Amino acid sequence: DTEVTQTPKHLVMGMTNKKSLKCEQHMGHRAMYWYKQKAKKPPELMFVYSYEKLSINESVPSRFSPECPNSSLLNLHLHALQPEDSALYLCASSQDTGRGYNEQFFGPGTRLTVL
Amino acid sequence: AQKITQTQPGMFVQEKEAVTLDCTYDTSDPSYGLFWYKQPSSGEMIFLIYQGSYDQQNATEGRYSLNFQKARKSANLVISASQLGDSAMYFCAMRVPSGSARQLTFGSGTQLTVLP
Repeated sequence: DTEVTQTPKHLVMGMTNKKSLKCEQHMGHRAMYWYKQKAKKPPELMFVYSYEKLSINESVPSRFSPECPNSSLLNLHLHALQPEDSALYLCASSQDTGRGYNEQFFGPGTRLTVL
Repeated sequence: AQKITQTQPGMFVQEKEAVTLDCTYDTSDPSYGLFWYKQPSSGEMIFLIYQGSYDQQNATEGRYSLNFQKARKSANLVISASQLGDSAMYFCAMRVPSGSARQLTFGSGTQLTVLP
């Protein structure tokens, strides 16, 4: 099973809402990632979890809160977002973050619109 | 610091013809990996091909091949016999395993349109 799944596919939320994005993989990978991608731009790394611990936070505002409940799941909790946070949010996983090849497998993404 | 440059914002190719998407990179690290991803309008990033800096031969995967010229620091993607389904955004990316970040650095992407 070489699949990363993400739910929901689309999300529309107001600036006062609280919502969560979910990501799941069953490849036994120990590294998981959140990216934000604006239209026609490359993905921007937000967070990296390695062995269920947050290893990289790319200066992301606190209105984005990641969580890794176990090695297969990754959540992104959203609160008090701004319209400029509207984007495609991609989850990815890789074997680990070590020195090897470490291809990242991406999920289909969640298209978020903040009104 | 690592940098990836894709100089072609958009490319057009006739169906069944070959097309080359350009990618140049910059790193001072002798060990690195180069990746190409395809992103259709649906959004999913699909891994296409990988080239390691120490690989002696150019990588190939079906209709995809990577023209790796180490001295020029280029890693161009060649798609042979283009199909309508190849229309998508293509990203070149690099990973330097020895760096503290060890993460992917993406280029700005090339939007490929295959014409019938």
